[in-house]
Amino acid sequence: AQSVAQPEDQVNVAEGNPLTVKCTYSVSGNPYLFWYVQYPNRGLQFLLKYITGDNLVKGSYGFEAEFNKSQTSFHLKKPSALVSDSALYFCAVRDVKHSSASKIIFGSGTRLSIRP
Amino acid sequence: DSGVTQTPKHLITATGQRVTLRCSPRSGDLSVYWYQQSLDQGLQFLIQYYNGEERAKGNILERFSAQQFPDLHSELNLSSLELGDSALYFCASSTQGPTETQYFGPGTRLLVL
Repeated sequence: AQSVAQPEDQVNVAEGNPLTVKCTYSVSGNPYLFWYVQYPNRGLQFLLKYITGDNLVKGSYGFEAEFNKSQTSFHLKKPSALVSDSALYFCAVRDVKHSSASKIIFGSGTRLSIRP
Repeated sequence: DSGVTQTPKHLITATGQRVTLRCSPRSGDLSVYWYQQSLDQGLQFLIQYYNGEERAKGNILERFSAQQFPDLHSELNLSSLELGDSALYFCASSTQGPTETQYFGPGTRLLVL
C-alpha cells in the first residue's frame, strides 16, 4: 500500500534562511508525489508535484522539491524563507487504482514556523 | 482561488441529526473527491466520484454517503451525527490522466454538539 511519512511535526526557521520539510514515501510502481500547503482557516493549496522527469521540481511561491528514488524521499525546499511561508505543509502520494479511480494519501503534516 | 466551491462554510448541528455538504468542481473537471480533516485522524480520503459514478472508496462510514449529479456537482450526506464527526470536510476536483492534480475547495467546518 502507498504511504507517506513526514517525520517532523514542526520545523522552525529564521526568515531569510533556507528551509527543508522532509517527506519519505513508500509506493508500488511509479510514484506520483505532491506537496500541498494549508494556511489557517483555508483549504489546501497545490504547491508542486513529481510525476516523471527531472528530479528537481519547481513549484509555487519559490518552493521546490527534490525527488530521490534511492532514498525514497521528496523533501520540500526553499532557499530563503519568508514569514508568510508559515503554514501547515502536507506531502502526499497518489494511489491509482485505474485510469479513472485514484485517491491521494496524505502525510500527517508539518507545521512550518518562520520567525522574523 | 482554486475554482472549487463548497457550501456551507460552517455548520453547527446536534448529535443524531443529518446534514448535506455541497461541492461544485472546477469547470471541466469530471472527478470529485471528499476528504475529512480532523485533529486526531489527519486528512483522510472518503470517496471519489467520476462523471457521476463512484470510483474509489476510502474510510467512509456507513452513516455517510455521497453522490455526483449530472451537472457534476457533488453532495456528501452525513447522518446520525456523532460528536466525533466534527471536522473539516474538503472537496477536491481534478481532470483524469497521468498528470492529474487535485484542487481543493475551502472546506466546510462541521461542529456537532
